Order: sequence, then structure tokens, then C-alpha cells
Amino acid sequence: DQQVKQNSPSLSVQEGRISILNCDYTNSMFDYFLWYKKYPAEGPTFLISISSIKDKNEDGRFTVFLNKSAKHLSLHIVPSQPGDSAVYFCAASGVGRGSRLTFGEGTQLTVNP
Amino acid sequence: GAGVSQSPSNKVTEKGKDVELRCDPISGHTALYWYRQSLGQGLEFLIYFQGNSAPDKSGLPSDRFSAERTGGSVSTLTIQRTQQEDSAVYLCATGGNQPQHFGDGTRLSIL
Repeated sequence: DQQVKQNSPSLSVQEGRISILNCDYTNSMFDYFLWYKKYPAEGPTFLISISSIKDKNEDGRFTVFLNKSAKHLSLHIVPSQPGDSAVYFCAASGVGRGSRLTFGEGTQLTVNP
Repeated sequence: GAGVSQSPSNKVTEKGKDVELRCDPISGHTALYWYRQSLGQGLEFLIYFQGNSAPDKSGLPSDRFSAERTGGSVSTLTIQRTQQEDSAVYLCATGGNQPQHFGDGTRLSIL
């Protein structure tokens, strides 16, 4: 049972344009969502998170949107840069300290110069 | 990354052998997690330690897998009688609260 799904294994965009990465979840108990970026041979790096009490959180070029009714979240990167090329994972957790994360399968983003 | 150190970075071993993977967490972080990522898959939760509480072992795939955390700091993940399906990148993460900070992982290859 894949509770967190990223249906696009890859995405290619032009430098300067917007990248939109999507994630769907099925477990209504999830109330905290995170995005990670992963370069080859490195561990994931935290990017941005959002609590279920919000529908948008912005940090510089990165914005995460949450649609609870649709159980859908998205990560927008604008403007996209070649250094953004990496695998992006969305993750979700339940309430409380130390709640373990459930990850999607990842989306490979390629930003072309 | 972010101060979590894992060793070895790569491990190649024969099927049936035991392996031990090590994680040195960020000082002061009370929560420690082990995940693994198989080829083309997302990260799969294995085990979680929080202070002196009993660990959450619910993600361990079989009784060949075990982990301990000594003194609330260093953790070791042990896989006994390794099988080819154990081949994966094993990642350690720490954090007092969300989000979690990951090490660069141990790439385990079972021949």
C-alpha cells in the first residue's frame, strides 16, 4: 500500500521557468509534509515543509502548496536553475515528535541551461 | 550531510555473510532513524530510536535485521545471513523534531 505517491518519475524544464513537482497521499492521518532534494551518492537534504493547518508555505524560490481535500501537495521552484537538478522526494508524517516519515518514490528533475 | 556520519560508505559482501553498518548522529539529537532505499524506490522506514524509550522496530523486514543505539549516541544496524534483496542504500537520519537530517548512506551490495 503506497500511501505517498509521486506519479511522475521525471520532469525536464528550461532554466528560468517554473518547475512543479506533484505528490499525492492516501492517509488522512498525515498532518505534516516535507520535501527533500537528493543528489547522487548523498543523503536527502531537507528543503521545505508544511503543516496541515496551512495551504501554502514559501521559502525563497521554493513554495509548497497543500490541498487537503484532494490529498495533494506540490512543490514549485521558480525560477528553476541547473543546480536544482536532483531527485525530489515528498514525505509525510503523523502528529507528534519523532513520527516516522513515509516517502514517495521520487521525481528526477532536470533543469536545462 | 548535516553532520550525520555513516560508515562504511560502500560495502560489498557475499550472500550469507553478516554486515554491520554504523551511524554517528548529530550531537544532541535524541531521535535516530534508519531507512533504506532500494534501486528505483523511495525511502523505506526500518527502525526508530528516541532517547531511552523502547525502539520502534516495526519497519524491520525480517528477524535477520537488528539495530542498537549505545548511550543514546552511535547506532549500528546489523544484517545477519545477508540475501541479495538486502542490496540497497542504508540511510541514517537524526533530529529532535521534524525535519530529519540524513547521512550520505552506506551502499550495500550482496553478491
